[in-house]
Amino acid sequence: ETGVTQSPTHLIKTRGQQVTLRCSSQSGHNTVSWYQQALGQGPQFIFQYYREEENGRGNFPPRFSGLQFPNYSSELNVNALELDDSALYLCASSPSGGPFSGNTIYFGEGSWLTVV
Amino acid sequence: AQRVTQPEKLLSVFKGAPVELKCNYSYSGSPELFWYVQYSRQRLQLLLRHISRESIKGFTADLNKGETSFHLKKPFAQEEDSAMYYCAASGNTPLVFGKGTRLSVIA
Repeated sequence: ETGVTQSPTHLIKTRGQQVTLRCSSQSGHNTVSWYQQALGQGPQFIFQYYREEENGRGNFPPRFSGLQFPNYSSELNVNALELDDSALYLCASSPSGGPFSGNTIYFGEGSWLTVV
Repeated sequence: AQRVTQPEKLLSVFKGAPVELKCNYSYSGSPELFWYVQYSRQRLQLLLRHISRESIKGFTADLNKGETSFHLKKPFAQEEDSAMYYCAASGNTPLVFGKGTRLSVIA
């Protein structure tokens, strides 16, 4: 059984650019959620996808968007990058229902994004 | 607003000493409470959840609804317990994390 994998592990972007982060969910998991973890903070929920539909969103602007594919992998896209977007972006997968249902969620190692 | 508070950023204890990592929550309804741990160079992983009422790696956590607390305890700290610990809450909502406490166990 493979765990949650994310790519890339590190990247540097310039303010105003766009970025796409990728996540492969754990085998058998159909729910993917994304979190932003700024330095010295706990993870903050961005949004969740269940069966290719967004079914929950945190307090993030629309320039944060995502996709989930039929194989349950997912992408996080951020447009018009700002310096404050610099953070660790965590993907997590879970069996049906995700964090709203009380199921345990399993995290990837994250993608470190630096915006300069 | 739903909130999880971990008052200590850093907690240092000697090996063999008791450990208590504090967590308080502000949540409507009856949330489920979790402790997540991140060891050096490893991913964030679930340590325990209150609904399971189990002890993992010697750690236990008791939910105190009156004090809205979910403190993590271990009677005798080990060096391998050194890690970042996050308390989290969920109640038919996304997980809300605290800012975390770094536990350092000194030999």
